[in-house]
Amino acid sequence: ETGVTQTPRHLVMGMTNKKSLKCEQHLGHNAMYWYKQSAKKPLELMFVYNFKEQTENNSVPSRFSPECPNSSHLFLHLHTLQPEDSALYLCASSQALAGGLYEQYFGPGTRLTVT
Amino acid sequence: KNQVEQSPQSLIILEGKNCTLQCNYTVSPFSNLRWYKQDTGRGPVSLTIMTFSENTKSNGRYTATLDADTKQSSLHITASQLSDSASYICVVSASNAGNMLTFGGGTRLMVKP
Repeated sequence: ETGVTQTPRHLVMGMTNKKSLKCEQHLGHNAMYWYKQSAKKPLELMFVYNFKEQTENNSVPSRFSPECPNSSHLFLHLHTLQPEDSALYLCASSQALAGGLYEQYFGPGTRLTVT
Repeated sequence: KNQVEQSPQSLIILEGKNCTLQCNYTVSPFSNLRWYKQDTGRGPVSLTIMTFSENTKSNGRYTATLDADTKQSSLHITASQLSDSASYICVVSASNAGNMLTFGGGTRLMVKP
């Protein structure tokens, strides 16, 4: 395992529901990320947090709301989602902001289905 | 616009055979290039990372090459095993503000017995 855990692993929700995805990293990293992976499309960066501060919001709809209470935990709050939001949501962490030589470590993902 | 294109989209090979996956990118200014392996239902796991000055790097049966002049990279898998069945993702980083990563669409490899 990579030291990044995500819960739940699978989630089915209706369009009127409110749910949250949780990510926890045990690696002592300072940066955390949310990605969306849809079928046959490249990973899409959604949000980036560095030392608990949001540094990137990649034009994500407001029905997705991130929260980073500390450097080890990251949440993605979901409400009034659309069927096209069904995807694999991946959390990742790195020692510092990636792009330099800092490796990103990914969690196993949450498979979300919106009905 | 920064882009990473991978080919082929999918590939089927027999166990024990070799294969080569391709990655072309237009990311600029270039910082580094990574290859990830993603098993079905799992998160990506890093295989190699190469900077501008490196043109080859190996990790067991995986060997990545980088030609920064032509902006191409390849991942060569030797003596394939059933466990190599996965998606292989090429990721390129630009050395500008934010240092964010640009992901390719991946190559889906299936190794058959």
